[in-house]
Amino acid sequence: EPEVTQTPSHQVTQMGQEVILRCVPISNHLYFYWYRQILGQKVEFLVSFYNNEISEKSEIFDDQFSVERPDGSNFTLKIRSTKLEDSAMYFCASSASAGGNTIYFGEGSWLTVV
Amino acid sequence: GQSLEQPSEVTAVEGAIVQINCTYQTSGFYGLSWYQQHDGGAPTFLSYNALDGLEETGRFSSFLSRSDSYGYLLLQELQMKDSASYFCAVVPSGNTPLVFGKGTRLSVIA
Repeated sequence: EPEVTQTPSHQVTQMGQEVILRCVPISNHLYFYWYRQILGQKVEFLVSFYNNEISEKSEIFDDQFSVERPDGSNFTLKIRSTKLEDSAMYFCASSASAGGNTIYFGEGSWLTVV
Repeated sequence: GQSLEQPSEVTAVEGAIVQINCTYQTSGFYGLSWYQQHDGGAPTFLSYNALDGLEETGRFSSFLSRSDSYGYLLLQELQMKDSASYFCAVVPSGNTPLVFGKGTRLSVIA
């Protein structure tokens, strides 16, 4: 069964450093997402991406964050100048159709900022 | 904006039936989805309701009442492996990403 894959599974970084989280969405999907989940809290939407551009973003997704699809398979989330409160699980997801009633999530990248 | 309310915790006995409710207030509504998340794992899709009524998938069923802005997830013949967090999520419009509730932590006990 096709799946969304994410790397790294866990990254520890020092405050102020930049991190890049990588994702390979399901191959025939066209809509890509990043979500964040702080430990013990709900899953929060960050950004959606379609046709090589951001289609929607939340208030969380400020200038510190950026996304890119550098080639035909990868979808990345860059976090600049990380802060302690950026520590969370970051989930990449993809869907075949807009609206995302059925979104497939990757296993997540756990980011710890120290 | 959107807000979703669901109980924070539910405990039920193995073999029993449990219902997890979700009420929502949204500026737009296209449908209601349910996701399961085991500790340390990814949310996995369980069901989606766009129309009023009951959708059944094996031991799991999901119900939606659009007029009441209410839905529920029904889990039957509970098994220990069903212990997880369950999130309702609203699809606000045809091209807007999911908005998740805070989740209900289900504990299944022997």
